Amino acid sequence: DAKTTQPNSMESNEEEPVHLPCNHSTISGTDYIHWYRQLPSQGPEYVIHGLTSNVNNRMASLAIAEDRKSSTLILHRATLRDAAVYYCILAWGAQKLVFGQGTRLTINP
Amino acid sequence: NAGVTQTPKFQVLKTGQSMTLQCAQDMNHEYMSWYRQDPGMGLRLIHYSVGAGITDQGEVPNGYNVSRSTTEDFPLRLLSAAPSQTSVYFCASSLTIGPGYGYTFGSGTRLTVV
Repeated sequence: DAKTTQPNSMESNEEEPVHLPCNHSTISGTDYIHWYRQLPSQGPEYVIHGLTSNVNNRMASLAIAEDRKSSTLILHRATLRDAAVYYCILAWGAQKLVFGQGTRLTINP
Repeated sequence: NAGVTQTPKFQVLKTGQSMTLQCAQDMNHEYMSWYRQDPGMGLRLIHYSVGAGITDQGEVPNGYNVSRSTTEDFPLRLLSAAPSQTSVYFCASSLTIGPGYGYTFGSGTRLTVV
């Protein structure tokens, strides 16, 4: 299974941008990059996904490196509600998402 | 739309009892799956289904049974509950089986086996 590497934890301040990195050096050409987040005591929530090009939606932006070996999830203006565990996942084929440990994001008021 | 609905939200079982965790989605999603999440760990795939009548095993299938008779429902059965099955269970669905679509998760069932 293709693996991703994320920092265990990150901290940021409210109303500032947050850049969450993810390394996936063994990514294959057909792997999609998915991001999910999990707020305390809730189920995971879809954030964004992409294949090659950068992607934007109402929640976040996904910046994918040209060689696709890394990506960055960008929260443009963090709020306290963005405090969660963020998972970077490679999806392929029948889309059996394999979750790692994720990055625990803390937002300071 | 309600999205993915899981029932019950909480359950306590005695060792050896059986029960069914319910999962229903109203989005006409083709793909459905069950995950478990243990304290401090990521989610692990138990079983998944790519359509009505089609199921397959995930990473940790032992002790669990599934069936998919309709597009909307994907129940998870614990055949004989064991303390090792104490966990939070999440059901998820996606429009189709391809990797280009996101998942929608339910809010979870917290199961304790004593």
